[in-house]
Order: sequence, then C-alpha cells, then structure tokens
Amino acid sequence: ETAVFQTPNYHVTQVGNEVSFNCKQTLGHDTMYWYKQDSKKLLKIMFSYNNKQLIVNETVPRRFSPQSSDKAHLNLRIKSVEPEDSAVYLCASSPTGTGNTLYFGEGSRLIVV
Amino acid sequence: QQKVQQSPESLTVSEGAMASLNCTFSDGTSNNFRWYRQHSAKGLEVLVSIFSDGEKEEGRFTAHLNRANLHVSLHIREPQPSDSAVYLCAVSMRSSALGRLHFGAGTQLIVIP
Repeated sequence: ETAVFQTPNYHVTQVGNEVSFNCKQTLGHDTMYWYKQDSKKLLKIMFSYNNKQLIVNETVPRRFSPQSSDKAHLNLRIKSVEPEDSAVYLCASSPTGTGNTLYFGEGSRLIVV
Repeated sequence: QQKVQQSPESLTVSEGAMASLNCTFSDGTSNNFRWYRQHSAKGLEVLVSIFSDGEKEEGRFTAHLNRANLHVSLHIREPQPSDSAVYLCAVSMRSSALGRLHFGAGTQLIVIP
C-alpha cells in the first residue's frame, strides 16, 4: 500500500526550463529523502531532511534545491534543467534512528529534450 | 567510498525453481543490509532487512549475510511470474549519515511460467 506519494509521475520538458517534484508521506516519519535513479537503475542519494532540517546534501549541482514545509512534505525543484537530469527521482521516508527501513514512492520520471 | 555490486545482472528461472541473487560490498563496517524489489515503472518495495550474520526469512524471501566475506544474498523460494522485477541490494555503513543507502545496480529477475 502506497504511503509516499509523488507528483507528477512523468514530466517532459526542454533544456533550461524549471521543474518541481512534490512528495508527501502519510507514515508520520521524521526523515525524508530524494534519490536519483539513472538509466542503469543505479540509485544515489541527493538530499535527506530530518524534521525540516537538511542533514545530507550530496554534491549535486546547484540547480537542484529541496524544499520542505513540514516533516510530511519534501519537494525538489530543478532550475534550468539539463539533459543529464533525465532520470527517475524517488522520494522516500523513514522513522528517525539508525537501521530503519526507507519507504519509497513510485518515482517521478523526468525527460529533458 | 562504499561499492556495492550485484550479480548476476540478469537471471531467468522457471516458476517454482529457487532464485539466488548475490551482492558484495566493500566496507566491512557496514551494518544494515536490505533487499528491495522494483517492478517496472514503480517504486521500491522492501523485502527483507538483515543486520547480523546468518539468515533472515520474510515469507518466501531469505537473506543470508556473511560480513567476513563482504557478501549478502537473497534467495527466493518458489518464485512466481509476479516476482519478475529488478532486485536491488542496499547497504548502509556505520559511519554514514542517517538513511544514506548505497545501492547496487540491480539484478533483473524473469520468472517463466
């Protein structure tokens, strides 16, 4: 049963445009994440938020910016997209504490033309 | 830098035959291991989590961890066509920031009726 909701599921846009992906979780978790999955299915963490505080910020390009209004929401904005940004962006959440399982949304596929 | 490698890249089995997937990791301090499943154009579904050497069973899915050999495997008993998906190994290091999972590139499992 899905408890991490992402919108949109799919987005096609041109180079240079701005894109936003939204994520909401209904699990009551304190921590949320954005992962990027490339064409080879490889997943890499981009950002992690705990109670609206950024705790992990991988060296992603500056055009990517996470935005969190509360612990249940974590959005991802991409300013001026580039072709290499084409990927699936997966949102996840987990309870606070080491060893806890991450629960993923179904992903937002971005195609940059 | 943690390296997680999965084999085989692709595996085809007949319905009812045991399916075995392998995952090796490079950092011996890793302490959290999870197997996820991803159906086409869907999010990740956690199958089994294991934190100490030995076996952990969740229904038809059994993970086996041998940290000395830097190896964790997944065995699927009586696989069904609905189990056809990409299986991802995720490893977390003791020194990692909260929730930073390192993923393998996945094994594409195809179960033939």
